[in-house]
Amino acid sequence: NAGVMQNPRHLVRRRGQEARLRCSPMKGHSHVYWYRQLPEEGLKFMVYLQKENIIDESGMPKERFSAEFPKEGPSILRIQQVVRGDSAAYFCASSPLQGSNQPQHFGDGTRLSIL
Amino acid sequence: QQQVKQSPQSLIVQKGGISIINCAYENTAFDYFPWYQQFPGKGPALLIAIRPDVSEKKEGRFTISFNKSAKQFSLHIMDSQPGDSATYFCAASINANAGKSTFGDGTTLTVKP
Repeated sequence: NAGVMQNPRHLVRRRGQEARLRCSPMKGHSHVYWYRQLPEEGLKFMVYLQKENIIDESGMPKERFSAEFPKEGPSILRIQQVVRGDSAAYFCASSPLQGSNQPQHFGDGTRLSIL
Repeated sequence: QQQVKQSPQSLIVQKGGISIINCAYENTAFDYFPWYQQFPGKGPALLIAIRPDVSEKKEGRFTISFNKSAKQFSLHIMDSQPGDSATYFCAASINANAGKSTFGDGTTLTVKP
C-alpha cells in the first residue's frame, strides 16, 4: 500500500534547532502540498510544490520556513531556529494532476514538539 | 479571516442515529467541497466530495447536501456506528489555485453504542 509516506512520525527539537520533515508522495503523483494543524484546529495550507518548482507558498511564514521538492527524492519542509509556536502536526498531501477536482491523498503527518 | 466555518465543534450521537455536520463558506469562487475523516494519529482521509453544480451526493451512509445560494453544505451520516467516531473536516478549494484546500476547524463525532 504505497500511500503518502512522511517521516519522521514524531520529532522533538529544542528551541533554536532546525527541523526537517520529509514527504514521499504516492507513486505517480507529482504535486505535493504541505499543511500545518494546530491542536483543536483544522489544517492550514502552507505551500504547494511540483518537481523542482514552488507553485504557491502563500501560506508559508516568510521567515525560517522553506520547502523543496527536488527532481529525485522526497519533498522537504525545513524549519530553521524553531520556536515553541512551531509545535504542531505537519501533513503532506499529494495529487496526480493539477486542479481542485483531483483528490489529495494525505500522509499520517509529523508531530513536531519544541522543548 | 475564517473562510470556512464548521459546526458543531463536537457531536454525540447514539448508534443508529443521524449525524449532521454543517459548513458555511464565504468565497463564491470555491468550486470543490470535500469532506475528510481523521482518526487520532492519522492523516485526513477523503470521505466524499461535491461540486456546486450538484445539490446532493450520496455514497453509502454518507450524504453531502449543498445549498449554493446560502453558501452552505452539510454532511449527513445515516445509521451512525461507533466506528464512525472520528474528527470530520469540511474543506473548500478553487480550481485556479491548483487544489490547495481551506479547511474548517473540525467536528469531533462520538457515536455511543
